[in-house]
Amino acid sequence: SSDLTQDPAVSVALGQTVRITCQADSLRRYYASWYQQKPGQAPVLVMYGKNNRPSGIPDRFSGSSSGNTASLTITGAQAEDEADYYCNSRDSNGNHLGVFGGGTKLTVL
Amino acid sequence: QVQLVESGGGVVQPGKSLRLSCAASGFRFRDYGMHWVRQAPGKGLEWVAIIWSDGAATYYGDSVKGRFTVSRDNSKNTLFLQMNSLRAEDTAMYYCARDFYSDRSGYIFDYWGQGTLVTVFS
Repeated sequence: SSDLTQDPAVSVALGQTVRITCQADSLRRYYASWYQQKPGQAPVLVMYGKNNRPSGIPDRFSGSSSGNTASLTITGAQAEDEADYYCNSRDSNGNHLGVFGGGTKLTVL
Repeated sequence: QVQLVESGGGVVQPGKSLRLSCAASGFRFRDYGMHWVRQAPGKGLEWVAIIWSDGAATYYGDSVKGRFTVSRDNSKNTLFLQMNSLRAEDTAMYYCARDFYSDRSGYIFDYWGQGTLVTVFS
């Protein structure tokens, strides 16, 4: 089981907007980070902090947080955005352990 | 550019040991904490361990605590994971990842290696 809860699967029509969410009590105090993983590849950091994109990540990716929920939004989804997305934050006790959400498989139709 | 290259994976019997390595380049290795993250076949990501930049502290996930040991050699820009008493459920791709600090955040993994596969099989 995971301290961070994600929907297992989400779909979006090409060019439309999709929000991927992550829920946990710890997200009331800490920001999530988000990772994109395509089949056979290592994960890639796509969002961290309040709404920070690493260099090279398209600006159609944005992040937000409200209450116990962190969100990764893709505005104008592209075919290449089809991937698994994982959130990460502190565990519920706020100690030095890392924890990932179970992952969301995004399908672009 | 930042590069992380894992090695040392393979097929091992239950109860045996294996040592993974992660060779780092393109950044000041001694300035960064480093993680191991694993992914069982067809499953999600699981955080395994972190070691601080100076090696002064280490922390482990519950599933590996007491069996795995993370260490580093800052003179050789290399991260290690000693895995003892291996179990079938340790079968996974093992990634090393660099730690990036950001205020009010959990761990952030800003660069990842391509992984090394560990299979525990009798």
